[in-house]
Amino acid sequence: AQSVSQHNHHVILSEAASLELGCNYSYGGTVNLFWYVQYPGQHLQLLLKYFSGDPLVKGIKGFEAEFIKSKFSFNLRKPSVQWSDTAEYFCAGYGNNRLAFGKGNQVVVIP
Amino acid sequence: EAGVTQFPSHSVIEKGQTVTLRCDPISGHDNLYWYRRVMGKEIKFLLHFVKESKQDESGMPNNRFLAERTGGTYSTLKVQPAELEDSGVYFCASSRADRYEQFFGPGTRLTVL
Repeated sequence: AQSVSQHNHHVILSEAASLELGCNYSYGGTVNLFWYVQYPGQHLQLLLKYFSGDPLVKGIKGFEAEFIKSKFSFNLRKPSVQWSDTAEYFCAGYGNNRLAFGKGNQVVVIP
Repeated sequence: EAGVTQFPSHSVIEKGQTVTLRCDPISGHDNLYWYRRVMGKEIKFLLHFVKESKQDESGMPNNRFLAERTGGTYSTLKVQPAELEDSGVYFCASSRADRYEQFFGPGTRLTVL
């Protein structure tokens, strides 16, 4: 199965700051990558996904991610965060009929 | 459409007891998955059903865990007997037969004392 790794597990930033969360994947054939988010008290929701095509993927709530094949990366970005972006963010890769998750990034946005 | 639901949301049991977790997938989703997150670790795959058939249970920790999906609808995950290291959040997810995108339930937080 494809594996992914995430860095900087805890991130604290102020509103309006830019956010970038790193995700690296191990090559396992076809690339199917996802970012999920879990807001406090809520279930995991899909932010965005990449299967093929345009390497810059737009997701919900102003998030985007860029697939860079040469770097084996799929980093998540948001130019200006809001307090409501406080959540845990997970990168995941699909392979062998399952998702393989990174350890998650706990992001806290201070008003 | 209704999302994936799980029951109970929380369960606190003593070591040696039995617990059964339930997952109701989105209607029409053939694929059903169980995942687990132990505190401080990543979310890990447990098993995968296609309709009522177990496709892959390679992630199940040991034979104290038993999953079923009778009739290809809801699924149960039973832990018997529970051990301290079974504590964690158990997630269920479902997907359509032709899609990779998985929809997750809210999880069941299991605490074994």
